[in-house]
Amino acid sequence: GESVGLHLPTLSVQEGDNSIINCAYSNSASDYFIWYKQESGKGPQFIIDIRSNMDKRQGQRVTVLLNKTVKHLSLQIAATQPGDSAVYFCAGRMDYGGSQGNLIFGKGTKLSVKP
Amino acid sequence: DSGVTQTPKHLITATGQRVTLRCSPRSGDLSVYWYQQSLDQGLQFLIQYYNGEERAKGNILERFSAQQFPDLHSELNLSSLELGDSALYFCASSVQGQTKETQYFGPGTRLLVL
Repeated sequence: GESVGLHLPTLSVQEGDNSIINCAYSNSASDYFIWYKQESGKGPQFIIDIRSNMDKRQGQRVTVLLNKTVKHLSLQIAATQPGDSAVYFCAGRMDYGGSQGNLIFGKGTKLSVKP
Repeated sequence: DSGVTQTPKHLITATGQRVTLRCSPRSGDLSVYWYQQSLDQGLQFLIQYYNGEERAKGNILERFSAQQFPDLHSELNLSSLELGDSALYFCASSVQGQTKETQYFGPGTRLLVL
């Protein structure tokens, strides 16, 4: 079956350090991936996405790496700040070539930033 | 603030009851998605609408139904509620409902079934 999962349920980092959150997926047809951040009491917030024709994509302080060979992607947060504390979800989407495409979410990794 | 609004914020009801959750998409977005988030199942896609028509269906129970109205707001109806239906229900919207569009999530409705 199709699944998207995260390696660790929790991650604790020191403020200013870099954070790396990992995610694995099982279906090679999932060729579009998204990272969402969910703060307590709020809905998921889009961070960055990547398509399967890319290995790396950078945003502001965030980088997503995609390794299609081992079906793995990671989210790197540079100079982690207390405001980065949240649950991070990776989500994969099947590309049906049209308008359909359900997001399959991983369970999430809770990132805690220590001051 | 994503621009997606959901009401009510909290809902407490009893087993066997029926509730309606409401969602207003971002201005200009034609597609609405519903998700259920529970502790054991994570965030699960339920159903998608585009411009009033159902477009995709996920893990939505037969006791649940949804619709999107001409003004593009959407309602999720949950009936014959069970304890296990207690969860956060999120609505998201996107412009055209295309595969690789960003979905913007609302703040969610927390449902507690007693």
